[in-house]
Amino acid sequence: NAGVTQTPKFRILKIGQSMTLQCTQDMNHNYMYWYRQDPGMGLKLIYYSVGAGITDKGEVPNGYNVSRSTTEDFPLRLELAAPSQTSVYFCAGGRANEKLFFGSGTQLSVL
Amino acid sequence: ILNVEQSPQSLHVQEGDSTNFTCSFPSSNFYALHWYRWETAKSPEALFVMTLNGDEKKKGQISATLNTKEGYSYLYIKGSQPEDSATYLCAFYNQGGKLIFGQGTELSVKP
Repeated sequence: NAGVTQTPKFRILKIGQSMTLQCTQDMNHNYMYWYRQDPGMGLKLIYYSVGAGITDKGEVPNGYNVSRSTTEDFPLRLELAAPSQTSVYFCAGGRANEKLFFGSGTQLSVL
Repeated sequence: ILNVEQSPQSLHVQEGDSTNFTCSFPSSNFYALHWYRWETAKSPEALFVMTLNGDEKKKGQISATLNTKEGYSYLYIKGSQPEDSATYLCAFYNQGGKLIFGQGTELSVKP
């Protein structure tokens, strides 16, 4: 099993550009999450999904969109990149009452 | 708004010292409390998932307790080693599947 795989690992965007961060898992996780790492703030929840076809907003959803058309994939879309979206993004998967498995992270800079 | 608070924000100890951190969370709609260990430049890794009031979990020299009625959990490290240096995150999980992290406690253990 590859676990939770995120791509790309690094990306530089210009203000106003759009991009999709990919996340895929082969562990049959129902629940999937997108977090961003803000200095001194730990991990902030952007969006989450409890199953295919179901998504919900987290703490900081503005400027992002997600979809969950399959159990395996949970892409995160940035439509109009802004400098405030410069961060490290983590995707994670798991099941109810079980630990999360995290991807290796995507370091995004918006200049 | 789900508020998960961790204290202290950072801790500097000597090798061999024992230490503990606190995680405070809402006492209503509780489903589970997670603890993660997060080393610099890596992804968070799960330590414990606790679901029942009074739960105690142990992994090597690290242990955790849970009080869901008053909304707190303690993480203890007995005889800290330099390799225990990391950020320790707790996360509150409600029945809707939302997993909210605290800001973390950064532990530094000096030889």
